[in-house]
Amino acid sequence: DSGVTQTPKHLITATGQRVTLRCSPRSGDLSVYWYQQSLDQGLQFLIQYYNGEERAKGNILERFSAQQFPDLHSELNLSSLELGDSALYFCASSVATASGETNTGELFFGEGSRLTVL
Amino acid sequence: DAKTTQPNSMESNEEEPVHLPCNHSTISGTDYIHWYRQLPSQGPEYVIHGLTSNVNNRMASLAIAEDRKSSTLILHRATLRDAAVYYCILSVMTNTGNQFYFGTGTSLTVIP
Repeated sequence: DSGVTQTPKHLITATGQRVTLRCSPRSGDLSVYWYQQSLDQGLQFLIQYYNGEERAKGNILERFSAQQFPDLHSELNLSSLELGDSALYFCASSVATASGETNTGELFFGEGSRLTVL
Repeated sequence: DAKTTQPNSMESNEEEPVHLPCNHSTISGTDYIHWYRQLPSQGPEYVIHGLTSNVNNRMASLAIAEDRKSSTLILHRATLRDAAVYYCILSVMTNTGNQFYFGTGTSLTVIP
């Protein structure tokens, strides 16, 4: 058990819909990362938050957005869903320095949320 | 823009050492090399990381080339539980924070 909780574990929805994925980081971890894993593209970095602020952005579509709340949990919002958005979405958390740097540290991943768009 | 290159798959016999290679020719001086593995139906888990020197921990060893353009994850005695996808990752500092770039991974099969 990594200590990172993601809900829901499975989600099936239709094209054009909007869903919200939730992540609770490990106790004390200030940084939250979101990744998308699809069959043909491996793990793609989407976005990182540190203590409520967006810290780094990867290949995140404009239809997707995220935020980190004062209690440090994070939500990833996916809208106008397309078939190609079907994937596993992972959240990871890490301990960060005061400046938000974690490149020396360890990421703790949740078990993922499997999104199926029909 | 893949920052690491790994073989798609490798096989090993149980209880033999496994050497998993990774190329990262565009690595810069402040980038750390991380290895994670992903067991079936689970999220990735940390294995080891390093900057310049070789590193050992209870799970594995990390050998880093002198020019840092390649590294090798060494599992000293493969077990069936080591069958997983192994990711070689660069942790890159940018002006907006650091990002972890996952490669496509090497799927390791352990043969009993």
